[in-house]
Amino acid sequence: GAGVSQTPSNKVTEKGKYVELRCDPISGHTALYWYRQSLGQGPEFLIYFQGTGAADDSGLPNDRFFAVRPEGSVSTLKIQRTERGDSAVYLCASSSMGQSTGELFFGEGSRLTVL
Amino acid sequence: GENVEQHPSTLSVQEGDSAVIKCTYSDSASNYFPWYKQELGKGPQLIIDIRSNVGEKKDQRIAVTLNKTAKHFSLHITETQPEDSAVYFCARASGGSYIPTFGRGTSLIVHP
Repeated sequence: GAGVSQTPSNKVTEKGKYVELRCDPISGHTALYWYRQSLGQGPEFLIYFQGTGAADDSGLPNDRFFAVRPEGSVSTLKIQRTERGDSAVYLCASSSMGQSTGELFFGEGSRLTVL
Repeated sequence: GENVEQHPSTLSVQEGDSAVIKCTYSDSASNYFPWYKQELGKGPQLIIDIRSNVGEKKDQRIAVTLNKTAKHFSLHITETQPEDSAVYFCARASGGSYIPTFGRGTSLIVHP
């Protein structure tokens, strides 16, 4: 079956612009995670959804970052007034609650470059 | 805090040798320890995991050991092959939400 799909795969924008990144999780997966990965670093947690609600948003760096999952499936990460420091690969992952492992299934990421 | 320290940052081995990557953590509530492999341009993929009630787990050429008292865990890859070349991340999680905190990664290079 299809894995986690993220669009766009690459996004180049100018400082101060607004950006939306989309994640389409594996069908039936109720849990959805957003991570940010800078070059040479491990993924850094941003936000976790269980169904439609953000169960943990403690990783969002500031109020320029916001994420939604209105119907409990597709999620959008929104970044306002982008800064050069926001440049990174934004990874989305999903998992199925109730499975025997805590395995997260990651997409290939959206590479954001802020000029 | 919840940080995970991972060493080494780069590991270069000859094909057929073993590779060992080590991680330490500080949060005593950690009870789940996954390892992910990330190939260039791809998202991380789970290769093995271990829970706090188990000391060792093996899956073919890979094994993970956990020492809860010392708060460290390790990944062992035997008989390495060039296709094992990738970045490996250890992680830890606690509670029921399985939100992993990742280490900084180890770039494993296996020379043919």
